[in-house]
Parts: sequence; structure tokens; C-alpha cells
Amino acid sequence: DAGVIQSPRHEVTEMGQEVTLRCKPISGHNSLFWYRQTMMRGLELLIYFNNNVPIDDSGMPEDRFSAKMPNASFSTLKIQPSEPRDSAVYFCASSFGVAGELFFGEGSRLTVL
Amino acid sequence: TQLLEQSPQFLSIQEGENLTVYCNSSSVFSSLQWYRQEPGEGPVLLVTVVTGGEVKKLKRLTFQFGDARKDSSLHITAAQPGDTGLYLCARLNDYKLSFGAGTTVTVRA
Repeated sequence: DAGVIQSPRHEVTEMGQEVTLRCKPISGHNSLFWYRQTMMRGLELLIYFNNNVPIDDSGMPEDRFSAKMPNASFSTLKIQPSEPRDSAVYFCASSFGVAGELFFGEGSRLTVL
Repeated sequence: TQLLEQSPQFLSIQEGENLTVYCNSSSVFSSLQWYRQEPGEGPVLLVTVVTGGEVKKLKRLTFQFGDARKDSSLHITAAQPGDTGLYLCARLNDYKLSFGAGTTVTVRA
């Protein structure tokens, strides 16, 4: 079975550019999470979707960040405009239910120059 | 803020040695999970502990949940290079899984 699939694996961009990260959750999972991981702050929850609906976006740093889940098999995290401090590994994770095992993708490593 | 503190931050040992990493909080956990993250990959769930005093074993890994449900430990017996990775504890509050900073374990061959 395919796990959580994220793309791109690596992205290098210049400050001010728009960045779009993509995620395909595991089929049948109804909860989707976006996390950001940095050395300084560890793993931080950015946003949580349940049944495609954003439930909690309190972790989204600022208005430059937005996330969508148009259907059960696809989600995007967009940063516009990007800044060097956004450099991090962004993980998408999915689960069945809110307290089920969380399955993480391999992450998207973003570098903003 | 209900912080999770993990210690030590880094641990480097020789193959065959034992190691223990810790996860502590000032508040009670409803449940606690341990994950391992290898370089370039996402975290993978190792175990979930729910009951105070609970002990779970997963091959050479032993997980303990404190009686008061405020702390947990992960003990690895006869560590192998394949055990190298970042060990993260996480607490579940409703739907939100909050992670500690992790312990980076390196097992030298």
C-alpha cells in the first residue's frame, strides 16, 4: 500500500516566490495534518483537516500561509510570499479518526534563499 | 503551555550497549506516543501508552509510562546501528498531537 505521498521532496526558491507543497493522504483516512519541522522549534502542527474541512489552523504562522483540501485525496500548503525563515521540512500526515495512528509522508524540504 | 521535555538531547553509544531516553511533562498525559524518525524520512509510530504504570515491549525496546502519567521512558537493550534515529515522544490532546524536541540517538558499529 502506498503511504502518504508528498511533493516536491526538495524545493529551493528565492525570497518572495510562491511555494506550493502537495500531499496525497492514505486512502480511507479522514484526518490530515500539516506539520513543520525545524532544528529550533521541532515539529509544529500547522493545520488539521477532518473530512476535508479545516478544523484548527491556529498553528499557521501568518497570512502568508494557506492550506486547502479540495477532496479526500489531495491537500496543498501554500506560502506566498516565501521568506528565508520559512525554510524547514514540511510534513503531511494522515490518520483514520482523530486519535488513530498518524502516518507521515517523507516530507518536503524547503529552502528559501 | 503543556510542554514535553525530552532528555538527553543527544546520545551516542557503541553497538551492544543499552540506552534510556526520557520524556517528562508537568501535566498529566491522557496518552503518550513514541515515534522514531530516521534521516530524510517522517516519524514512524513505535508505541502508544495509555495506562499509568504501563510497560510495553517491542523486541529490544521497552516503554514505560509513569504511574502518575506525567513521564515516560524508552529503554533499548543491546542497541544496534539500525536503532540510530531521532526518538520523539508526543502527547495527544483531543486531535492535536504535540511533540517533544526529541533525542538524537547514534549507535556506532
